[in-house]
Amino acid sequence: DAGVIQSPRHEVTEMGQEVTLRCKLISGHNSLFWYRQTMMRGLELLIYFNNNVPIDDSGMPEDRFSAKMPNASFSTLKIQPSEPRDSAVYFCASSQGQGSAGELFFGEGSRLTVL
Amino acid sequence: SQKIEQNSEALNIQEGKTATLTCNYTNYSPAYLQWYRQDPGRGPVFLLLIRENEKEKRKERLKVTFDTTLKQSLFHITASQPADSATYLCALNTGGFKTIFGAGTRLFVKA
Repeated sequence: DAGVIQSPRHEVTEMGQEVTLRCKLISGHNSLFWYRQTMMRGLELLIYFNNNVPIDDSGMPEDRFSAKMPNASFSTLKIQPSEPRDSAVYFCASSQGQGSAGELFFGEGSRLTVL
Repeated sequence: SQKIEQNSEALNIQEGKTATLTCNYTNYSPAYLQWYRQDPGRGPVFLLLIRENEKEKRKERLKVTFDTTLKQSLFHITASQPADSATYLCALNTGGFKTIFGAGTRLFVKA
C-alpha cells in the first residue's frame, strides 16, 4: 500500500486566493483526520470524518475553511480566501476507525505559504 | 481547561544512555495514549499505544508507562542511538476517534 497520499506537497499563493489540499486515504481505512502544524501551536486537529461523515469540526478556525469527503478514499480541505496566518503544514491522517487500535497513519503533509 | 504538556526544551543525551520523555495531561480521561515520532519535513509515525488499563508497554528498545492517577505517561528509549534523534509527540484519545497531540519534545542523541 502506498500510504496516505497528500497533494500538493508545497503551495505558495497570494492572500485572497483559494487553496485546495487533497488527501487519498489508505484503502480500507474509514476515518480521516485533517491536522495543521505550526511552530507556535503544534499539531492542531481541524476536523475528522468517520465513514465519510464529518464527526467533529470544532477545530476548523473559521468559515474560510471547509472540508469534504466525496467518497470513501478521498478528501479535500479548502481555504477561501486564504490569509498569511493560514501558512502552516497541513497533514491528513487515516485510521481503520471502528475496531482499530486508534493508530493514525499520516501523509507527508502539504506546506502552505500565503504571501 | 484541557491541556497536554510535553517538555518544550530539547533533550540532549549521549549515545547508549536511556532517554526519558514526559507527557502530562489535565482534564482528560483518555481511553488510550499514543506516542509518535516525527522527523523534519515528514509526517508523524506511530510508535506505541497504551490503554488506560495497562501500566506499561514495550517494543524493542521502547517502553511506555501510563499512570492515569498522575495523568502522566513516560516514554523511554534504551541504548539510544543518533538515529533516534527526532521529535516525539504524545497523543491522547479524547472520545470516539478524536486524537489530539502535545507539542512534542525534540531529542538529540550525540555519538
